[in-house]
Amino acid sequence: GAVVSQHPSWVICKSGTSVKIECRSLDFQATTMFWYRQFPKQSLMLMATSNEGSKATYEQGVEKDKFLINHASLTLSTLTVTSAHPEDSSFYICSARSQAGLYEQYFGPGTRLTVT
Amino acid sequence: QQQVKQSPQSLIVQKGGISIINCAYENTAFDYFPWYQQFPGKGPALLIAIRPDVSEKKEGRFTISFNKSAKQFSLHIMDSQPGDSATYFCAASSGGSYIPTFGRGTSLIVHP
Repeated sequence: GAVVSQHPSWVICKSGTSVKIECRSLDFQATTMFWYRQFPKQSLMLMATSNEGSKATYEQGVEKDKFLINHASLTLSTLTVTSAHPEDSSFYICSARSQAGLYEQYFGPGTRLTVT
Repeated sequence: QQQVKQSPQSLIVQKGGISIINCAYENTAFDYFPWYQQFPGKGPALLIAIRPDVSEKKEGRFTISFNKSAKQFSLHIMDSQPGDSATYFCAASSGGSYIPTFGRGTSLIVHP
């Protein structure tokens, strides 16, 4: 149980274009989803927290107009990187938790974004 | 301010040996301490977690030791195997936000 998927697993896009990453909870209802960014050999950096049906809460320093997060249903959240630039290249990981287990976060497999 | 300090940054262990990773925290409001295992190119996976009302928790070859007074906790991997080679993150969270604060990670290599 507690499986989270991400799609795509990797994506290459050209500078200036936008790319959407999907995060799905497959076997539970995710009342809250999180988006992280991870640089090579570094820890996870929380970008934003989203509750189903509400606007996302962004961490300090994260541009909300650049990283659009939508959590429209209890099983799906999307992260759209708008007008991507090479510095946005990174490993993006989502996680999800249910109302039944507020402490436990279940992570997706991650999406490798490369902006050329 | 780093609220969860993890050491060592990297660790090399021979097969069959014990791997020990340590974490220390500052926020006394933390009340949930998970460990995550991450393989290259994959997302982290919850390995084992402990609450401060117990001093030790064991699941298979993995054990968390917790010292509330010292504000420290550690992961012990017994009989380490090459398949355990991964990056391990400790974390801590509180009942306020339930959002974990992660350590910087430990890269573990187990030589066959």
